[in-house]
Amino acid sequence: AQSVTQLGSHVSVSEGALVLLRCNYSSSVPPYLFWYVQYPNQGLQLLLKYTTGATLVKGINGFEAEFKKSETSFHLTKPSAHMSDAAEYFCAVLYSGGGADGLTFGKGTHLIIQP
Amino acid sequence: GAVVSQHPSWVICKSGTSVKIECRSLDFQATTMFWYRQFPKQSLMLMATSNEGSKATYEQGVEKDKFLINHASLTLSTLTVTSAHPEDSSFYICSLQGGRGFGTEAFFGQGTRLTVV
Repeated sequence: AQSVTQLGSHVSVSEGALVLLRCNYSSSVPPYLFWYVQYPNQGLQLLLKYTTGATLVKGINGFEAEFKKSETSFHLTKPSAHMSDAAEYFCAVLYSGGGADGLTFGKGTHLIIQP
Repeated sequence: GAVVSQHPSWVICKSGTSVKIECRSLDFQATTMFWYRQFPKQSLMLMATSNEGSKATYEQGVEKDKFLINHASLTLSTLTVTSAHPEDSSFYICSLQGGRGFGTEAFFGQGTRLTVV
């Protein structure tokens, strides 16, 4: 079974500061990993994903994440926070060995940007 | 990427009535679509997998007779909440996603906010 743990339901950073959102996963096989952002009453937008290859993945809006197999982690970072980054962020995992499966989501982290 | 259109974006209905939510793939033939439910301030939970031309596969704990899914074409899947009750009030989101050989990215609809009064 696969699961996703996001540490911290709320993270608050100052505008211009480093953003770090943590995600750990458990999977019996190499997973595909995703970060999504959700603004209020909207669907999900993909920020970035890791499938294979380079473990440091760059996404949209200046976000990046690094897949660390030894730590079973896929933390999301951004060097300098912007007010527009305030949103809900979800880490998700997909079992890579099967056919079409739904994503398993973490509980989400609400990112608050302080002016 | 693929464009997924979900309609309506919000709906208010009376307890005991049924509500239909549509999920359309505008530029991608989706053999499989997924329906998620998101309660306030919680994560998305997969409800069911919608397969074109066959019966949907429901996750454990999801009542198939209450949440009717129809995927009659490669571009349309519908979720009908039958005999809705206030506890069904939630944010429902569909997605289409490739399986093996079709890529891993999931494309989400805008979501439907259902309020049952």
